[in-house]
Amino acid sequence: DAMVIQNPRYQVTQFGKPVTLSCSQTLNHNVMYWYQQKSSQAPKLLFHYYDKDFNNEADTPDNFQSRRPNTSFCFLDIRSPGLGDAAMYLCATSREGALYEQYFGPGTRLTVT
Amino acid sequence: GQQVMQIPQYQHVQEGEDFTTYCNSSTTLSNIQWYKQRPGGHPVFLIQLVKSGEVKKQKRLTFQFGEAKKNSSLHITATQTTDVGTYFCAGFLGGSYIPTFGRGTSLIVHP
Repeated sequence: DAMVIQNPRYQVTQFGKPVTLSCSQTLNHNVMYWYQQKSSQAPKLLFHYYDKDFNNEADTPDNFQSRRPNTSFCFLDIRSPGLGDAAMYLCATSREGALYEQYFGPGTRLTVT
Repeated sequence: GQQVMQIPQYQHVQEGEDFTTYCNSSTTLSNIQWYKQRPGGHPVFLIQLVKSGEVKKQKRLTFQFGEAKKNSSLHITATQTTDVGTYFCAGFLGGSYIPTFGRGTSLIVHP
């Protein structure tokens, strides 16, 4: 009964080689988020979708893009990964509104060689 | 921009001792949520506080929201090894559904 699924769980890519991480949800939530989390740090919001409306955080590098083809799926594309992009990438969903909690997926651990 | 400061960053305790983590916001919050992340895991929602001065309990965990809605705390009584993990607070400004996460407090419990 997994609710937020992320694939793959571990991804190794080469410096500069594009990579795509995927997230799917069975909760039918309007809002989907992508976070980057580095060791011993808080999750850092990269962007989020409210339905089909894309919202980019001001300090998210252009190297990061996202797609949400339907309610259930969301993708994170890293066009040219650098060594500094190695991190855990967390997908989360919620209903709209501040009073709803976020449901996080298990994350994808990205390694850049 | 809004900042949520969380202290301490790390806390080592002996099993059975109490533990507290504190969050402070530079601006008044509409509500605050707490999450727990086990080592190697993902954040899991614990609780939400909305009202000024609100106190909520979950077994050995006590959550408080300050009267001014600018600070919050999580207190664990008689820690157990299962309490190990990083506890994050996440504050919300009025009208926004985007949380600002604190840096987290990593709790290490020594048996």
